[in-house]
Amino acid sequence: AQKVTQAQTEISVVEKEDVTLDCVYETRDTTYYLFWYKQPPSGELVFLIRRNSFDEQNEISGRYSWNFQKSTSSFNFTITASQVVDSAVYFCALSESPAGGTSYGKLTFGQGTILTVHP
Amino acid sequence: GAVVSQHPSRVICKSGTSVKIECRSLDFQATTMFWYRQFPKKSLMLMATSNEGSKATYEQGVEKDKFLINHASLTLSTLTVTSAHPEDSSFYICSARTVNWHEQYFGPGTRLTVT
Repeated sequence: AQKVTQAQTEISVVEKEDVTLDCVYETRDTTYYLFWYKQPPSGELVFLIRRNSFDEQNEISGRYSWNFQKSTSSFNFTITASQVVDSAVYFCALSESPAGGTSYGKLTFGQGTILTVHP
Repeated sequence: GAVVSQHPSRVICKSGTSVKIECRSLDFQATTMFWYRQFPKKSLMLMATSNEGSKATYEQGVEKDKFLINHASLTLSTLTVTSAHPEDSSFYICSARTVNWHEQYFGPGTRLTVT
């Protein structure tokens, strides 16, 4: 069974600080996808990134960066120079690629990390 | 990117009544749609997988007679909460999968309050 763990329940930082959100996953599949989503107070999930299991390259998008390490089954997310608008709940998720069936693509979410950025 | 809508965005109903929530993919065909439930300050839990033209696949512990799912077309799936009770109050989110199984788009969610 697949599992995603976000050990940090809540993080509080002051604006302009860097912050890293941890994500550890478990899966038996060799092919899978990892995701990060942002959920602001409005509730709508905002897609941030998708990474497949064969691509371990780190990625940077503006102030966001992701570190994928298969050796430790981790997919951590760093926000550089955090801003108040970054305050939200962040979810890490895993989607496996089963051999068949009609429910492939379903996501298993971590517990979420509540990030609060203070001015 | 692809757009998924949900209707209504908020609904308040009385205990014992049924509520229908619609999930539509607006600019693509979704052979598979997923229904998630989120309690306050909690994670999203998959309730069921809805495939067009076939019966939904429910996750363990989810009552299929209470949460009726219909996926009548490639752009519409509905979730009906039957005989709703206060404990059914939650945030319900749908997502639609494209032909590429790893691409999934989420709706804005429906907040259900049962009084």
